[in-house]
Amino acid sequence: AQSVTQPDIHITVSEGASLELRCNYSYGATPYLFWYVQSPGQGLQLLLKYFSGDTLVQGIKGFEAEFKRSQSSFNLRKPSVHWSDAAEYFCAFIGGGSYIPTFGRGTSLIVHP
Amino acid sequence: DGGITQSPKYLFRKEGQNVTLSCEQNLNHDAMYWYRQDPGQGLRLIYYSQIVNDFQKGDIAEGYSVSREKKESFPLTVTSAQKNPTAFYLCASGGTSGRTDTQYFGPGTRLTVL
Repeated sequence: AQSVTQPDIHITVSEGASLELRCNYSYGATPYLFWYVQSPGQGLQLLLKYFSGDTLVQGIKGFEAEFKRSQSSFNLRKPSVHWSDAAEYFCAFIGGGSYIPTFGRGTSLIVHP
Repeated sequence: DGGITQSPKYLFRKEGQNVTLSCEQNLNHDAMYWYRQDPGQGLRLIYYSQIVNDFQKGDIAEGYSVSREKKESFPLTVTSAQKNPTAFYLCASGGTSGRTDTQYFGPGTRLTVL
């Protein structure tokens, strides 16, 4: 079955520290992959997406993600976290003949001053 | 500015009542979606529509209904048959040309059953 997993429910980092949020997918071919961010009580905003080509993808707000086929992963990274990055982060993927994404359960990022 | 609007932001419902959540987009997108969000469960698809006057059930359609009379509008009705309607509801829109189309989300409506 096609699925996407975010293993970490919560991640706590100190402001200025680096960040990596994990995302793993289960799919037989290369999926289309997305990372979204959601501030409390708000809708989702697209951070970045991967369709093909360069496996390191740059997004908005200083985020990047790397697609690793051998590990079925698409982890989100940021070299230095700001307090305003505290939010819920969702990984999503599209596979097969669908154009409707499947979302992970989300990772809540907590930033300590 | 183009975007998606949802109204109201907060909605309270008594048990046994139907309520309708509004979603409007001016992005000229063909596809529109409704998701339900509960803590720790991510987003679950309720209904989606690829074209006017046509829509399909998602993973959790029971107790919900939709209509798509205009390209810009995709209202969701939460009926009294939905046993646990308290949740955050998100509307989204996007293209239908293929998997490269990105979904754009509205700000959400929080529904609380009293």
